[in-house]
Amino acid sequence: GENVEQHPSTLSVQEGDSAVIKCTYSDSASNYFPWYKQELGKRPQLIIDIRSNVGEKKDQRIAVTLNKTAKHFSLHITETQPEDSAVYFCAPILTGTASKLTFGTGTRLQVTL
Amino acid sequence: GAGVSQSPSNKVTEKGKDVELRCDPISGHTALYWYRQSLGQGLEFLIYFQGNSAPDKSGLPSDRFSAERTGGSVSTLTIQRTQQEDSAVYLCASSRANVLTFGAGSRLTVL
Repeated sequence: GENVEQHPSTLSVQEGDSAVIKCTYSDSASNYFPWYKQELGKRPQLIIDIRSNVGEKKDQRIAVTLNKTAKHFSLHITETQPEDSAVYFCAPILTGTASKLTFGTGTRLQVTL
Repeated sequence: GAGVSQSPSNKVTEKGKDVELRCDPISGHTALYWYRQSLGQGLEFLIYFQGNSAPDKSGLPSDRFSAERTGGSVSTLTIQRTQQEDSAVYLCASSRANVLTFGAGSRLTVL
């Protein structure tokens, strides 16, 4: 099965700074790369995703970049705000197969004022 | 329904009792997942259903855990002879095109 690691496990930034979270995976066949955000006491929700035919995708203050050769993808958050404080999970997968979805270990982001 | 519904939202039980947790997925979503999340921890995969295929049960931690999905819709996760280490939030998610939509979870506390 897919081995998925995230770094760092915790990240503290000041409001307005940028944050970068990296997800490393083992299955070179993976072709879909989502990021989920879980606020305290809430359920995880998809915030951005990318497919393997694209190197970067941006949505306002968040972006995802993919390096298929090195088997990692990253979540970038610019101009961080307190509401960005949450745990972020990656979950790479090969689409079109009956494959379970393995989440990364999670990164706790704390945005301080 | 509009989202994934889970019940009960909270369950307190005594060690050794059996519990059933229910998940009602989004209509039309063929894939359904169960995950377990202990306090402050990550999402531990338990079981995955995809259409009429045999479920992937590789994440079930012991034979006390079982799950079924009737008619390709509602799923029930059953934990027999509960132990204190089973205390966690059990999250169900249904999926379309690999995008997971999670329910609010069932918080299980085993005394």
